[in-house]
Amino acid sequence: DQQVKQNSPSLSVQEGRISILNCDYTNSMFDYFLWYKKYPAEGPTFLISISSIKDKNEDGRFTVFLNKSAKHLSLHIVPSQPGDSAVYFCAASGSTSGSRLTFGEGTQLTVNP
Amino acid sequence: GAGVSQTPSNKVTEKGKYVELRCDPISGHTALYWYRQSLGQGPEFLIYFQGTGAADDSGLPNDRFFAVRPEGSVSTLKIQRTERGDSAVYLCASSPTGGRYHTEAFFGQGTRLTVV
Repeated sequence: DQQVKQNSPSLSVQEGRISILNCDYTNSMFDYFLWYKKYPAEGPTFLISISSIKDKNEDGRFTVFLNKSAKHLSLHIVPSQPGDSAVYFCAASGSTSGSRLTFGEGTQLTVNP
Repeated sequence: GAGVSQTPSNKVTEKGKYVELRCDPISGHTALYWYRQSLGQGPEFLIYFQGTGAADDSGLPNDRFFAVRPEGSVSTLKIQRTERGDSAVYLCASSPTGGRYHTEAFFGQGTRLTVV
């Protein structure tokens, strides 16, 4: 069963506009969420995280929102830049899963100049 | 080197053969993770080492898969009697301390394994 789902395989936005990437989870034991970015032929790179005690975390152009009741989180990138074009993975961990991360399938973001 | 290094970058092997994938973590990082990423999927957890010991190996799919980290640094993922379904990118990550909030986990570029 897919405990973390990213339902949009791809997203295309114009440079300067907002990019919104979505992620849903089913395991109510998850309490820590992360976003990773991956360029081709490179490993994933940590971007931003959020604990379940918060509903928002912001770091520069990147903001993650968490809606626990809906088991949904989103990553907002504003303004989007062409260099943001990459695959974005949502990941989660919980008290019963130790150090393992459960990843979503990823969303390919393309930012057009 | 400064980052996590994985060798080889690419490995093509015949079905039934044995393969070893190597991971050199960032110096001083005590925690090391192996993940597997199949085409169109996100990384899937395999095993986590804290120092020399496997703290969590619950993600290893079956007994054909084994991993070691004898000196608490370099790790080797070993796959026996490879099957075509083992074809994937194998990712290694390390972090200074491990634990649940390994936001400081740094990933290598991965080893692309193709079983023909």
